[in-house]
Amino acid sequence: GENVEQHPSTLSVQEGDSAVIKCTYSDSASNYFPWYKQELGKGPQLIIDIRSNVGEKKDQRIAVTLNKTAKHFSLHITETQPEDSAVYFCAATRRGSSNTGKLIFGQGTTLQVKP
Amino acid sequence: DAGITQSPRHKVTETGTPVTLRCHQTENHRYMYWYRQDPGHGLRLIHYSYGVKDTDKGEVSDGYSVSRSKTEDFLLTLESATSSQTSVYFCAISEGPNYNEQFFGPGTRLTVL
Repeated sequence: GENVEQHPSTLSVQEGDSAVIKCTYSDSASNYFPWYKQELGKGPQLIIDIRSNVGEKKDQRIAVTLNKTAKHFSLHITETQPEDSAVYFCAATRRGSSNTGKLIFGQGTTLQVKP
Repeated sequence: DAGITQSPRHKVTETGTPVTLRCHQTENHRYMYWYRQDPGHGLRLIHYSYGVKDTDKGEVSDGYSVSRSKTEDFLLTLESATSSQTSVYFCAISEGPNYNEQFFGPGTRLTVL
């Protein structure tokens, strides 16, 4: 079945450094890739997303890149701050099909930013 | 924040008892989803609904049933709870598959002893 693999499972960086989280998807028909951030005790919240017709998207300190040929996409956080500490999830889906918006999530990455 | 509430927020129950979790939204979104979150597995879809009385199975639906009699409410029922159903359960809503952003509720932590 459809699968999304996410690495690493944990990541620790110093404040100000960059953090990179990588995901690989199995369904070549996937065309929408959101990233969610989950703070302790809360539900996941969308932070950035990318469509399959775009190779890169940036939003301030956050960027996502997509390589359709290799079927992988990555989240890049620059100038990390303590408030970036959270669990991050990648996901993939076929947008606009009969898939009814079902997201396939990666396993999650716990990011710790040390002051 | 999207208007999504889940109740109860915490529940401890015993094996074999029925349990119902409720998701309530005030956004009038058509699609609603139930996920479970377990360490090492991320979020896995249990069931979803694409309208009143319209529901379908997700990837881990065994042992769960759902109902949606009103747009704003989506109920998840464990007919006979098992220890393997100990998890954190999240409800999510979206306007539809072409929008895809899903807004998540605060979660329900369920412990089955």
